[in-house]
Amino acid sequence: AQRVTQPEKLLSVFKGAPVELKCNYSYSGSPELFWYVQYSRQRLQLLLRHISRESIKGFTADLNKGETSFHLKKPFAQEEDSAMYYCALSGSGNTGKLIFGQGTTLQVKP
Amino acid sequence: KAGVTQTPRYLIKTRGQQVTLSCSPISGHRSVSWYQQTPGQGLQFLFEYFSETQRNKGNFPGRFSGRQFSNSRSEMNVSTLELGDSALYLCASRRVAGGPNEQFFGPGTRLTVL
Repeated sequence: AQRVTQPEKLLSVFKGAPVELKCNYSYSGSPELFWYVQYSRQRLQLLLRHISRESIKGFTADLNKGETSFHLKKPFAQEEDSAMYYCALSGSGNTGKLIFGQGTTLQVKP
Repeated sequence: KAGVTQTPRYLIKTRGQQVTLSCSPISGHRSVSWYQQTPGQGLQFLFEYFSETQRNKGNFPGRFSGRQFSNSRSEMNVSTLELGDSALYLCASRRVAGGPNEQFFGPGTRLTVL
């Protein structure tokens, strides 16, 4: 079964602390993994794609096929990072179907 | 470039009625996907349309249907509304060919079923 699991509903850290948002997936094949972010009163937007292997707003995520994980990391959290983060999976074959995790609320305290 | 737009933004219906939601994709995007977002189930894929054809379908009853027009605009319809259909309905568009597999989301339509 295709599934994305984000074990933490809420992650609360202080400004300047490291952040790791966990994401594990279940998929038989070669999925494409994404992190989407939703800031307060804004629409859902793409943060990272595993294929591009880039750092956006200081966030990085590495696909670990052995552990079937795609954790999102940032070395020093900022208050403006407070938002809802969703890990999502897309199957092979250039499909528009995204399977989302339940989301993790990141709260960065001053 | 204008983003994905959805109309209406808010809708109140009663059980048994039907509803039609509209989504206009970003210019040049040919695929539109629909998602249902609820506090309990999170974001769930409904279906995807590309070139006026349904390409993928999620695990929803037949009361949920959609279509896509030649200008890539899409509508989704829910018939015989139930209380559990109350949700935020999001649509997302993507280019499909000649670009990264990135979906751009609209602001959503908030449907309340009384």
